[in-house]
Amino acid sequence: RKEVEQDPGPFNVPEGATVAFNCTYSNSASQSFFWYRQDCRKEPKLLMSVYSSGNEDGRFTAQLNRASQYISLLIRDSKLSDSATYLCAPGFQKLVFGTGTRLLVSP
Amino acid sequence: DVKVTQSSRYLVKRTGEKVFLECVQDMDHENMFWYRQDPGLGLRLIYFSYDVKMKEKGDIPEGYSVSREKKERFSLILESASTNQTSMYLCASVGRAGGSNQPQHFGDGTRLSIL
Repeated sequence: RKEVEQDPGPFNVPEGATVAFNCTYSNSASQSFFWYRQDCRKEPKLLMSVYSSGNEDGRFTAQLNRASQYISLLIRDSKLSDSATYLCAPGFQKLVFGTGTRLLVSP
Repeated sequence: DVKVTQSSRYLVKRTGEKVFLECVQDMDHENMFWYRQDPGLGLRLIYFSYDVKMKEKGDIPEGYSVSREKKERFSLILESASTNQTSMYLCASVGRAGGSNQPQHFGDGTRLSIL
């Protein structure tokens, strides 16, 4: 089993849609959880940290489920500019990155 | 803002050459990392360093070495470049305060082609 698994997608959604990504991790000792956004041929950039209680940043909501060992990212009211690959990164001492989920938002 | 700078955005080298990729961060971070990213395989950790002159192997260290002589600089070395080392190389850093609870910050990446 991979340490971190994500559905590669692509998820094709229209503008304004709500879309959710899940990411499962196998290391139960993971203590830190992050979502990164990566545009084509660019470096990953931190989108948000994921806290146990769940957290929201504008249109983005991140949730952590330790019992089932998954983290999720919800994007509301999708914009064209949200088109990118979203990487999850759980970690203990060092982060382990998923291969990413590709999102395509169309007009 | 954290700034992680990689020496080259694009690099073309020949098989058998010794290749140096340089990474510098300006936030006095203790921890630095080198990854490679290939389609379908995601980010794979090559080496990391948690202090000056310290280094640890990541998941795919074969064919690579690293150097950390100064805190701000972490170099990746391809001792004898091979075509299967053609890839996107990404450097990242994070401070020790909070340890694993802080996110890593990435450089722009170096697209390395080995001919």
